[in-house]
Amino acid sequence: DVKVTQSSRYLVKRTGEKVFLECVQDMDHENMFWYRQDPGLGLRLIYFSYDVKMKEKGDIPEGYSVSREKKELFSLILESASTNQTSMYLCASSLPSWGTNEKLFFGSGTQLSVL
Amino acid sequence: SQQGEEDPQALSIQEGENATMNCSYKTSINNLQWYRQNSGRGLVHLILIRSNEREKHSGRLRVTLDTSKKSSSLLITASRAADTASYFCASKGAQKLVFGQGTRLTINP
Repeated sequence: DVKVTQSSRYLVKRTGEKVFLECVQDMDHENMFWYRQDPGLGLRLIYFSYDVKMKEKGDIPEGYSVSREKKELFSLILESASTNQTSMYLCASSLPSWGTNEKLFFGSGTQLSVL
Repeated sequence: SQQGEEDPQALSIQEGENATMNCSYKTSINNLQWYRQNSGRGLVHLILIRSNEREKHSGRLRVTLDTSKKSSSLLITASRAADTASYFCASKGAQKLVFGQGTRLTINP
């Protein structure tokens, strides 16, 4: 089975800190995604990547950046954390959309609190 | 922007009953998917239905798709306490999946 591993389950940071969230997948998937999940808002796409060193903005990229130096590793960076970035962050991976398996495999999530 | 709207937002039923959740979307899709999320965890893929399909089954799950109404439904038959979770539909357009806000399902023993 595909495994998507997020580096932390819970994280507490201070306003203004630089925050790194890491996600590793072990199935050689081309696509990787970062979502945030907030009550009443569902899942919103922050950034995604179709290949190494490639990145595309999702629906809410402001205040975030990403890095994909290796195929298996996709990092989400909060340049200067703010309280409105307190959220559950979910990483996911998938095969290319032109393949037969278009489903997403999710990590367990990182609950980030910014104080 | 979010396409999926799910109905109801919350559903509470007795164990053994059937649970039906509905999803509507706004634009043309290639496929529609349903995911399940246990409290505080990541999402798990349940089933995918393509735009040229009308109904699909997987175990106790039955999904229907009506592209003329831009809607889908997920039926869970003979519910169990372990089915308690949030269920999300996700519509796949040209590029990315767009998720609905989810239905919180509670199965009472």
